Amino acid sequence: DVKVTQSSRYLVKRTGEKVFLECVQDMDHENMFWYRQDPGLGLRLIYFSYDVKMKEKGDIPEGYSVSREKKERFSLILESASTNQTSMYLCASSGWDSQETQYFGPGTRLLVL
Amino acid sequence: GDSVTQMEGPVTLSEEAFLTINCTYTATGYPSLFWYVQYPGEGLQLLLKATKADDKGSNKGFEATYRKETTSFHLEKGSVQVSDSAVYFCALSDGSNFGNEKLTFGTGTRLTIIP
Repeated sequence: DVKVTQSSRYLVKRTGEKVFLECVQDMDHENMFWYRQDPGLGLRLIYFSYDVKMKEKGDIPEGYSVSREKKERFSLILESASTNQTSMYLCASSGWDSQETQYFGPGTRLLVL
Repeated sequence: GDSVTQMEGPVTLSEEAFLTINCTYTATGYPSLFWYVQYPGEGLQLLLKATKADDKGSNKGFEATYRKETTSFHLEKGSVQVSDSAVYFCALSDGSNFGNEKLTFGTGTRLTIIP
């Protein structure tokens, strides 16, 4: 079974803090994605990566950056957290063999005070 | 750009009722269509998918048919159970780069089944 894990289920941070969200997948997938999920808005794509050291902006990249130093790991960074970044963050991966299916982690619920 | 419009929730049904959750899409090209489900406290998981017009995806008693003429992919189940209570997301892939597809999601429909 594909497994996507995220470093924390719940996080509480203060405004202005630098926040790291980590995601690891064990299926050797080429593609990794970061979404945020908000009520009434569904999932919105923040950043994605098709390969190591590659990154592309999604629909809402402002206030975020990412890092992909190893194939299995994709990190989302909030350089200076703000209250409007309070949300559920979901990581996903897919590959050439997954036939367009994305596999999701359990999510990290972030509260910025 | 691509977009997905989903039936707004929340939806509350009694056990064994018939379920329909509407989904329509706008896309260029030939997208694949998906239904994902999110159970409480979990991430999303694929429920079913269809890759071309007139295909029917099915899983766990749920079905959806890819209708190009009406640009729809409605989710149906004949008899729902309490364990079906979850949030359901309709999605499409852009199909632009084989193996590298991005997904566009609808806003989600929260389904609650009452015993």
